[in-house]
Order: sequence, then structure tokens, then C-alpha cells
Amino acid sequence: SAVISQKPSRDICQRGTSLTIQCQVDSQVTMMFWYRQQPGQSLTLIATANQGSEATYESGFVIDKFPISRPNLTFSTLTVSNMSPEDSSIYLCSVEGQYNEQFFGPGTRLTVL
Amino acid sequence: AQSVTQLDSQVPVFEEAPVELRCNYSSSVSVYLFWYVQYPNQGLQLLLKYLSGSTLVKGINGFEAEFNKSQTSFHLRKPSVHISDTAEYFCAVSEWTGGFKTIFGAGTRLFVKA
Repeated sequence: SAVISQKPSRDICQRGTSLTIQCQVDSQVTMMFWYRQQPGQSLTLIATANQGSEATYESGFVIDKFPISRPNLTFSTLTVSNMSPEDSSIYLCSVEGQYNEQFFGPGTRLTVL
Repeated sequence: AQSVTQLDSQVPVFEEAPVELRCNYSSSVSVYLFWYVQYPNQGLQLLLKYLSGSTLVKGINGFEAEFNKSQTSFHLRKPSVHISDTAEYFCAVSEWTGGFKTIFGAGTRLFVKA
């Protein structure tokens, strides 16, 4: 299994600002995934980040709102842009194992005022 | 399209009692099935997985789950729960659609009382 760290662990932000979340993996991986977990709800996949190519976004998520970088095989960032209170969520990055099981980071708890 | 239904949003039980958390899914192809646990203020951790073979799979912390293909279910069980099992439990299904795609259920909050 992979060990994944995220920074920051939590933040409180003002409406209209942007926040960049970092995800670091202790081994090289092809794909990294970004999920959103809204309060009291399940996980929704935002996008899949492949090194060396554009991220693939799921329905309902767009690059302008959630730009993603993947500069190498162990690191990715997700930016939440022009934030509103509706963006208050836990944001999780993950990598997949041999059988598509997901290994998650500890999450970033974002509150937008 | 696949979907995952966790039939109970909350399950309160007393310590040392048995528990079953229910999960049903829909899919037209073969799937991989997973249960994850999320302790308060933490990320998700894999409890167990079903890939193929024996329908009864054992995971960490004394949990097990049984795959029932005819009922498209993958219920999670533990014969005797501890206070420390209080957490959110997510069932997930992964199927191949030109690439693996994982769908998570809405979660079941297990609350173990003394």
C-alpha cells in the first residue's frame, strides 16, 4: 500500500479566493485521483491526474474551477478556485492498488466563509 | 450504469453485539467490491475487497463480507463490535468501462454504545 500525505490538513478561506491542496505519495504512480466529500455525504470523483497529460474531469467538474497539476509521478495539486460556501468539503487524493482498490490521503477539510 | 446502495444511513449497536451493514449494487458486468472505513477526522482506509473466488472475504479488525451474486449484495459483518469500531463505512464497486471506475455508496455510520 502507498503512504499519502496532504497539505494543508484544514483551512478556512474567504469567498472568492483560491486554495491549492498538495498531495505527495511515497512511491511512483501512474494515476492520482481527487475526490470531494461534502458534509455528511459520500465521495465524488472530481478528476484523474496522469503525469504528463491533462487531467480527466468527471461530469460536473471543470478545469477552470478545479485546475490540477501533475508535475511528476509522486506529486499532484488541486486548486479550488473562486471559492464559495458550497465548496466547503473534505478533499481527498488517492492512488489505486493492483486491483483498483483506493489508498487515500488523510484529506483536506476546507471551510469557505 | 452502476450504482451502490447502502440501505442504512445509521446503525446504533451495543458493544460486543454483532452487526451487519448492508450494501447492494447494480452492474451489468463483473465487478470488484470493496468496503472502506473512515474514522472521525481521517481519510478512508480499505477494510476488505472481493475480486473473485471465495464469496466470503475477511478483512482487518475482525470484519468480513459475503458476496452474493444472485442478490447483488456485499454485506459487511462483525460478530462482536468494539467502541473503537465507531466510524463511517463505505461500500464501493469498481467495474471496467474502458478503464476502471469506482462508485461509492452513501455511507453507513456505525455507532457503538457502551
